[in-house]
Amino acid sequence: DVKVTQSSRYLVKRTGEKVFLECVQDMDHENMFWYRQDPGLGLRLIYFSYDVKMKEKGDIPEGYSVSREKKERFSLILESASTNQTSMYLCASSFGRAENNEQFFGPGTRLTVL
Amino acid sequence: LAKTTQPISMDSYEGQEVNITCSHNNIATNDYITWYQQFPSQGPRFIIQGYKTKVTNEVASLFIPADRKSSTLSLPRVSLSDTAVYYCLVGGGGFQKLVFGTGTRLLVSP
Repeated sequence: DVKVTQSSRYLVKRTGEKVFLECVQDMDHENMFWYRQDPGLGLRLIYFSYDVKMKEKGDIPEGYSVSREKKERFSLILESASTNQTSMYLCASSFGRAENNEQFFGPGTRLTVL
Repeated sequence: LAKTTQPISMDSYEGQEVNITCSHNNIATNDYITWYQQFPSQGPRFIIQGYKTKVTNEVASLFIPADRKSSTLSLPRVSLSDTAVYYCLVGGGGFQKLVFGTGTRLLVSP
């Protein structure tokens, strides 16, 4: 079974702090994704990566950056957290180059910025 | 981007068939339609995917009309454990073009 793990289930940070969300997948997938999930807005793509050291912006990249130094790990970085970044963050991975391939999601990190 | 529209919520009873429709009027020629299911405190998981006509697996069926401007996820004989949020995802031609809908919250009652 594919396993996607996220470093924390719950995280509380203060405005202005630098926040790291880590995601690890164990199936040698090429692609990794970061989404945020908000009530009434569904899942929105922040960034994705199709290879080590490669990254592409999604729908809402503002205020975020990412890092992929190893194939199995994809990090989401909030350089200076703000209250409007309070949300559920979901990491996912998928195999191959076809964008329609099944995505496997982690359990999510609920981030609260005070 | 192929924007999708789904009902916000649906109610059903155990044993009934549930049909959830997703509208995607601007679907492109190479876009596929994928449905995911999400339980509370979990990430979404893949249910079914199709391009046209009908697809069936052990969990659900997916009906796509000829114009492909909508799709219907059909869950036969639902149980309490089917209570979840169901997302319609339309895309192809690049990861940036994958667009999740806002989801339909299905509540199955005894």
